[in-house]
Formats: sequence, C-alpha cells, structure tokens
Amino acid sequence: AQKVTQAQTEISVVEKEDVTLDCVYETRDTTYYLFWYKQPPSGELVFLIRRNSFDEQNEISGRYSWNFQKSTSSFNFTITASQVVDSAVYFCALSMYSGGGADGLTFGKGTHLIIQP
Amino acid sequence: ETGVTQTPRHLVMGMTNKKSLKCEQHLGHNAMYWYKQSAKKPLELMFVYNFKEQTENNSVPSRFSPECPNSSHLFLHLHTLQPEDSALYLCASSQDLPNRGSGNTEAFFGQGTRLTVV
Repeated sequence: AQKVTQAQTEISVVEKEDVTLDCVYETRDTTYYLFWYKQPPSGELVFLIRRNSFDEQNEISGRYSWNFQKSTSSFNFTITASQVVDSAVYFCALSMYSGGGADGLTFGKGTHLIIQP
Repeated sequence: ETGVTQTPRHLVMGMTNKKSLKCEQHLGHNAMYWYKQSAKKPLELMFVYNFKEQTENNSVPSRFSPECPNSSHLFLHLHTLQPEDSALYLCASSQDLPNRGSGNTEAFFGQGTRLTVV
C-alpha cells in the first residue's frame, strides 16, 4: 500500500516570507514518481513538478524549489518570497509504475497555504 | 480549447435522478481518470482507463458507472446517488509510456464538476 502524508493542514504567512510545505510518503515499490499540484479556488489542479525515484537531485524553478530525500521518504516544497497569488491548496502525490499501464495518483490531504498581503 | 474540459461545472441532482458527467481531453493522451474530492478527505482515485480499457476500479459503488468510448472522452454516469456522494469530481488524463521505469507522464486535470445530491 502507498500513502502520502501532508501534516500541515493550513499555513498562513505574510507576503515575501519563505514557506516550506512538507510531504512524507510510503511505498514498497522501488520505482515510483512524486508530484506536486496546486489547486487554486477555481478547482483545477495545476501540475508543478514530477520526480522519479531514481533522481534525487533537488530542483529549482523560479521561486519554487523541491527537496527530495529518499532516506527520509520526503519530498518537500519551498516557496521563496511568497506572493498573494501563491495562495492555494497544494497537494503532494505518489504514483507507482506497475509495468502494465497507467497508474493513478495517491494524494495527500493537501496543505492550504494562505499568503497575507 | 483547454487541455481537459469537464461539463457541467455544477450539478444539483435528486437521489432518484440519472445524470452524466462528461470529460474531454485535447492532449492526445491515452489514459484518463476520474477522481473524487470530498471535503476534508484526500482526492480519491475512482476509475482508470488506459487505451480505452478500464484497468482499475478501486471498489467504487455501482451507482457510479464510467464509460470511455474513445481515448479523448470519458463519462461518469450517475444514478440513485446519496447525499454523501456530493463532492468535486475531477477528470484527468496522462500519456502512459510503455517501458517500465518511464511510468506515465504527469496528469492534467480538468476544473471539475461540483456535484450536490439533494
């Protein structure tokens, strides 16, 4: 069985502060994929990043960065210099590859990020 | 056209009604999914269609019936629902890759259908 835990239900920070969203996952598979999605009030989930289990390099994309630590089964997401437009619910997700076809995603419960002006 | 389009955006139905949710993807993907998002619960995978064949059900009640006539369209037929079925239903698509270790690419989601069962 696989599981994704996002312990932070809600985080509120003032604009321009840095904020880190935690994600811890459980899986027995050796090949798996980790994702982060953003869900603004409109409801659509917006893809942010995909990382496979063989690639532990951290990634930076503008103000966003991701820290993948296989030893602690964590895939944390940091927003630097946060902006009000970053306010949304953020989901961490896990997908295994069964070798036979498409795999759905196992999501965490999400972290509601509030950026106050 | 946006990548994944869902209609209707909002739906209110009685417990004895029959309705259908529609999803269309314009991305050329070969896999489509239905997810349910209830308040205070993680998104739950309901159905997976890969190459138009259903590959995963996840023990969804039979009052939810999926249909995938082709790789671009996905329906969710609803009948005799319960109030607890009220939720946001999200459709997604992805491109499944054939080789182990490649997995499937990221899923693209529609904006969802907000369903209220009264």
